[in-house]
Amino acid sequence: EMQLVESGGGVVQPGGSLRLSCAASGFAGSGFTFDNYAMYWVRQAPGEGLEWVSLISGNGDTTYYADSVKGRFTVSRDNYKNSHYLQMNSLRTEDTGLYYCVKSYSRGWFLGDAFDLWGQGTMVTVSS
Amino acid sequence: SYDLTQPLSVSVALGQTARITCGGDNIGNRAVHWYQQKPGQAPVLVIYRNSNRPSGIPGRFSGSNSGNTATLTISGAQAGDEADYYCHTWDSTTEVFGTGTKVSVL
Repeated sequence: EMQLVESGGGVVQPGGSLRLSCAASGFAGSGFTFDNYAMYWVRQAPGEGLEWVSLISGNGDTTYYADSVKGRFTVSRDNYKNSHYLQMNSLRTEDTGLYYCVKSYSRGWFLGDAFDLWGQGTMVTVSS
Repeated sequence: SYDLTQPLSVSVALGQTARITCGGDNIGNRAVHWYQQKPGQAPVLVIYRNSNRPSGIPGRFSGSNSGNTATLTISGAQAGDEADYYCHTWDSTTEVFGTGTKVSVL
């Protein structure tokens, strides 16, 4: 069974940094290859709705970011480790939330694809 | 920016039909996806590309998209369908989520 597991969340002061990780498992057993799929980060502030954060293509060559994090967050992936990362710098209180790692539905990548596999999330709290 | 507007809440009697709308400028020209999120859980994809159901999603969930409104329909709502529902599409270089709708089954 395919699974995404996030880690790296925690409490950090404004202006600080955190690096989130997402480990994918069960892809080979399900007939999927990790590097065939775009990966995303989506966040949810406490009691609020979903907010897309970033996209990275299967080979890592293409990335997109929400305007709210552009220039502060950097997404990357290591296909040999079936892993996906989010480096978050210059954190603000409004970055507080549950960060989900998400897989694209389709092979290849394109904007507007469905998100068909979600992790359980890792909590980030930015507070002084 | 591209905004997707959903009603804050929808109530439906057990066994009846609930319709959740997602409004956006010419949204009928875009592929729309829908997610169900129960309290304390991660979202689950229930409809992709306007009207397609992933495997494992019950047939009572259906979707449509035309003009300025996409709609998720739950036919014969069950108590277990109580959840928040989000629509999703894209614009320019960003993915966009709707504001979310809380569905209550009475």
